[in-house]
Amino acid sequence: GQQLNQSPQSMFIQEGEDVSMNCTSSSIFNTWLWYKQEPGEGPVLLIALYKAGELTSNGRLTAQFGITRKDSFLNISASIPSDVGIYFCAGNSFAQGGSEKLVFGKGTKLTVNP
Amino acid sequence: NAGVTQTPKFQVLKTGQSMTLQCAQDMNHNSMYWYRQDPGMGLRLIYYSASEGTTDKGEVPNGYNVSRLNKREFSLRLESAAPSQTSVYFCATPRTDSYEQYFGPGTRLTVT
Repeated sequence: GQQLNQSPQSMFIQEGEDVSMNCTSSSIFNTWLWYKQEPGEGPVLLIALYKAGELTSNGRLTAQFGITRKDSFLNISASIPSDVGIYFCAGNSFAQGGSEKLVFGKGTKLTVNP
Repeated sequence: NAGVTQTPKFQVLKTGQSMTLQCAQDMNHNSMYWYRQDPGMGLRLIYYSASEGTTDKGEVPNGYNVSRLNKREFSLRLESAAPSQTSVYFCATPRTDSYEQYFGPGTRLTVT
């Protein structure tokens, strides 16, 4: 099946640092979504992107829909301890023929040291 | 407004036992999904239901059955549990005419 390559797999950073993670695919996507999952909880939607080149912010989080439609980036500025969790990218590609199903990346585990 | 609820939150089964995981949404969405999450594997689709009365297989359907009881409820059944089904199970529902899926809190299942 389709795959999303999400990197890095894990990050260990100091509080206050900026974070960047990305997802890439060999297929063209029409939607990119970014989720955060905290321990013992379900994923929570952070940002949704629908247009190539789109740049959207949610507080200290900024995500971009790549211009090639094959990638997306998530940046977190001035990280704080509550940013800890696993961040997932997800998308719907044209190859899915109109299906609303999503493909998920394997996640980036973020650890923030106070 | 609870959004998406799942029961139970935790469950331990012995190999061969059966159980049903329950999911309910109060968002009036048409579609509902069941995923499993395993370490390092991300989220994998088991079954989904595009509307009341319809269900379709996802990526990993073997060993599972589903029932879309009504618009609100979508259940996942394990007829004969196996250790390979030890996982965290999530129910999700996308906003109508959107790809934005909203997840429940999960059911943590261990099969011994």
